[in-house]
Amino acid sequence: NAGVMQNPRHLVRRRGQEARLRCSPMKGHSHVYWYRQLPEEGLKFMVYLQKENIIDESGMPKERFSAEFPKEGPSILRIQQVVRGDSAAYFCASSPNRVSMNSPLHFGNGTRLTVT
Amino acid sequence: SQKIEQNSEALNIQEGKTATLTCNYTNYSPAYLQWYRQDPGRGPVFLLLIRENEKEKRKERLKVTFDTTLKQSLFHITASQPADSATYLCALGSSNTGKLIFGQGTTLQVKP
Repeated sequence: NAGVMQNPRHLVRRRGQEARLRCSPMKGHSHVYWYRQLPEEGLKFMVYLQKENIIDESGMPKERFSAEFPKEGPSILRIQQVVRGDSAAYFCASSPNRVSMNSPLHFGNGTRLTVT
Repeated sequence: SQKIEQNSEALNIQEGKTATLTCNYTNYSPAYLQWYRQDPGRGPVFLLLIRENEKEKRKERLKVTFDTTLKQSLFHITASQPADSATYLCALGSSNTGKLIFGQGTTLQVKP
């Protein structure tokens, strides 16, 4: 059983470019969460998606950031016009149902974005 | 606003001793609490879950307690081993929202 797959593992972008981060959830999982982690900080919730729907995007900046989880294919976190402050590790997690006491999160190994 | 605090300083202990990590929270009434382990360069891995109506949960060498009056969870690793060295994250969830809120994690270093 393949786990949550994220790619690329490392991504370098110049200021002003676009970054696209991909996440393929575990087989059978239709719920995807994106988190951002800065050094010495915890995981900060960004967005929660279920197939084709954004359920909660309360943690995602209104400008430049967007996420999608199409019917077919991976979930994509897109950052337009990146700035140095976007440099962080971005983690995707999946679950078969909405995360709950019966359904913990399964994380990928993250994409480390560096903006130069 | 909701706040979760874990020991910010790294915890260094000798092999064989019990490691105790703390997770405190404010302005929140979680229905459950989860603990995750994170190794450098990797994503978090789920370890244990405890519900608000449970006082204690055990799994092999791991024990979690949950005190909703103190708004605190303690995470214990007994007979610690160097392989237990990692960062441990607590996460709170409610029945209303479909998301987990994470603490910043505590790094544990077990010395042989």
